[in-house]
Formats: sequence, C-alpha cells, structure tokens
Amino acid sequence: KNEVEQSPQNLTAQEGEFITINCSYSVGISALHWLQQHPGGGIVSLFMLSSGKKKHGRLIATINIQEKHSSLHITASHPRDSAVYICAVVSNFGNEKLTFGTGTRLTIIP
Amino acid sequence: GAVVSQHPSWVICKSGTSVKIECRSLDFQATTMFWYRQFPKQSLMLMATSNEGSKATYEQGVEKDKFLINHASLTLSTLTVTSAHPEDSSFYICSAGKSLASQETQYFGPGTRLLVL
Repeated sequence: KNEVEQSPQNLTAQEGEFITINCSYSVGISALHWLQQHPGGGIVSLFMLSSGKKKHGRLIATINIQEKHSSLHITASHPRDSAVYICAVVSNFGNEKLTFGTGTRLTIIP
Repeated sequence: GAVVSQHPSWVICKSGTSVKIECRSLDFQATTMFWYRQFPKQSLMLMATSNEGSKATYEQGVEKDKFLINHASLTLSTLTVTSAHPEDSSFYICSAGKSLASQETQYFGPGTRLLVL
C-alpha cells in the first residue's frame, strides 16, 4: 500500500461542475502539498497545508490531520483546469523529502 | 513569487554522451534542491537531495556515478547524466526549497525532457 493514496485516478467532468479530489496518507506529516502538472510537464505548487483550509481563487484545499486526509476542490471548473493534480506529503522525520501520490488526471469538457 | 528555471527544456542526444541539466532559483536562495525523475503516466520519483556546498544524498537505487549532482551555489544545482543510454530517457524535474513563515516549501522547475537515441 502506498503511503499516499489519491482518488479518483481519473475524473472527467463538464465545465462548471464542482470538483473534489481526495488524498489519504498513512504517515505522520509536517505539511501536505497540492501540485498541478499540465500536459507540458511543468509543475505548479498550488497549496501547502499543515492544518485547516486554504483558498486561492476557485481552488480550495482542506486537511484533517486526525483523519490523515486532504481534499482539493475546484469550483466552477473550466477546461483550463484540465491537468494532473498531485498530492505530496512532507513526513515529520525532519527532512524535507516529499512523498507523492500517483496523481488524479482531471479533464474538464466544454 | 519564487521562480525556478531549468535548462535545457528539451535535449536529444546519442547513446554514450553526457548531458548536463541546470536548475536555478531565480529570485531566492535555496539551500536545498531536489532532483526528480518522472516516467510517462507515473508519479515523480526523488533521485537525490542536493545541499549547497556538500555532497548530494542519493535515494536507494540511484547510481551516484551515473547521475552526478553539483550544488555549487545557493541558486544553482546541476545534474549530469553520464554516458546516457536510452533507458535514461525521462522527464527530469528539479525543485528548490525556500523557507516561508518558518515552513519549508518547494518550488518546481518546468522540467527537462531527455531523449537518448
């Protein structure tokens, strides 16, 4: 079992729909990242969370440390949101190494 | 914001040649840089952690003599794939660590796609 699990693996939705991507992890962490990777390959860091909730534009990320679970929400989804979304955790062992989930491939249809 | 660049973005080379990839933090100093490798439709795999002025720490299974890492300054780390072979063809991504409000976050470069013929 991977230390970081994401669901769903693939998600196709109509433009305008509310999107939720889930991430569960099994290790103690100091922080969790949500990353976005577009087809060209470049990675953008969307959020870094250690507790609670963060919002940036149409994106919202939440984390529940007790349940070892985080969600990424996209409101009013748009075709340009189509990308792979990756959850990555920083363990609390003192180093900064990220452990990555396998990613969720999101496709928004116009 | 924090910007990380990589050069080149694409490289095609013959088998047996060495390829150098540069990773630069453009507007901040990064004491730690990370090198990742990504195969198609797979997640990123950490290859090594690079600290300025010291030897890189390689992950298990990554050959240090094959993938030479130099972190000569707080804004530049290089990865050299020595004697590249077709199986080294992959997407290589670096990230640079920056302290933000007492937390360390990573900023990713745009990646370098290597094709070895």
